[in-house]
Amino acid sequence: NAGVTQTPKFQVLKTGQSMTLQCAQDMNHNSMYWYRQDPGMGLRLIYYSASEGTTDKGEVPNGYNVSRLNKREFSLRLESAAPSQTSVYFCASSGGDSHSGNTIYFGEGSWLTVV
Amino acid sequence: GESVGLHLPTLSVQEGDNSIINCAYSNSASDYFIWYKQESGKGPQFIIDIRSNMDKRQGQRVTVLLNKTVKHLSLQIAATQPGDSAVYFCADTTTSGGSYIPTFGRGTSLIVHP
Repeated sequence: NAGVTQTPKFQVLKTGQSMTLQCAQDMNHNSMYWYRQDPGMGLRLIYYSASEGTTDKGEVPNGYNVSRLNKREFSLRLESAAPSQTSVYFCASSGGDSHSGNTIYFGEGSWLTVV
Repeated sequence: GESVGLHLPTLSVQEGDNSIINCAYSNSASDYFIWYKQESGKGPQFIIDIRSNMDKRQGQRVTVLLNKTVKHLSLQIAATQPGDSAVYFCADTTTSGGSYIPTFGRGTSLIVHP
């Protein structure tokens, strides 16, 4: 049972380059999330998708775009990477409502360095 | 603004002791709270949760207490083991657009000495 799978695990980018972080879940969850984690800052929500076809901004959306490709997949794109986007990125998913459960399950993280 | 925070950034205990990790929240509309454990280099893992209509919930070696009056949450770990060493996050959850959105605190690092 894979759960939440995100790729790549490590990436180094030059300032101004673009890249997409991929995420897929096999739990038939409705909701998916992208968080970033910086030292001493905890987890901060970038974007989330309550269901297939919808996306909404979280606490720190600037510099990012997302696509909910289908129910399984939710990608995060950096159009023009900046050093301030150096962070660990976590994708997560949950059933999304009180009936199917709202426990959030996380992927293993993607370490991104922008130089 | 609303926030979730932790009182202590680091907690050191001896193996076998009980550990208590505290968390304060400020969003009175939060109705669901979660504790996560994060080991180095890994994603957060669900430990235990509690709804706002409860004040205590027990799991295997872990207990979560919720005091809504003072907006305080705690995680108690019984007979702490070296494998419990990790960063622990609390999160309060609000509903937005039909989705549950957790807001995480900064985390407490638990160090268990053998």
